[in-house]
Amino acid sequence: DTGVSQDPRHKITKRGQNVTFRCDPISEHNRLYWYRQTLGQGPEFLTYFQNEAQLEKSRLLSDRFSAERPKGSFSTLEIQRTEQGDSAMYLCASSTFTGDEAFFGQGTRLTVV
Amino acid sequence: KNEVEQSPQNLTAQEGEFITINCSYSVGISALHWLQQHPGGGIVSLFMLSSGKKKHGRLIATINIQEKHSSLHITASHPRDSAVYICAALLYSGGGADGLTFGKGTHLIIQP
Repeated sequence: DTGVSQDPRHKITKRGQNVTFRCDPISEHNRLYWYRQTLGQGPEFLTYFQNEAQLEKSRLLSDRFSAERPKGSFSTLEIQRTEQGDSAMYLCASSTFTGDEAFFGQGTRLTVV
Repeated sequence: KNEVEQSPQNLTAQEGEFITINCSYSVGISALHWLQQHPGGGIVSLFMLSSGKKKHGRLIATINIQEKHSSLHITASHPRDSAVYICAALLYSGGGADGLTFGKGTHLIIQP
């Protein structure tokens, strides 16, 4: 499988717990994006990496959110002290460079109870 | 105000009908994507456009840069085309510097 993969597909957590999601992009893609999608809405940009460098973070990304891409390959998105409002689908996408076609993973659906 | 607007939000049609979904954006873009999302499923990229027209099977996407408008057409629609279709633009400003700005999606249902 050479597509973008995300793990886990589903996560249920109690409010206040920390969660971490992983994204493995297409291997030759140097750009990696994280998006969040709530029910009935289009995805919203969270952050993106070019190789290992995190180049931009959305104002939507509070201090409880942190993302890393330590070796320029896979990326992790951590949410600390989860809140019910964090419940959403978290999507990862990768591309080769700006404007090139972006390929999306299946997403991680987070439910905070 | 969303910089990328889609219409209609919901569309129900009969099998075989010609479908058009519209997308308008308010600032300059470098590329526009049409994406498909099935219920509970991931997002699949259908087209990436920066000018003109692209065709893939029964799907056609067009873009008019001067009018800041793009359309996605489905010919001979089929129930398996039922999904949410999302327009996403790579904006010159906003969108988080090279992130995509998404429309809210068009929920399409094709009835047999």
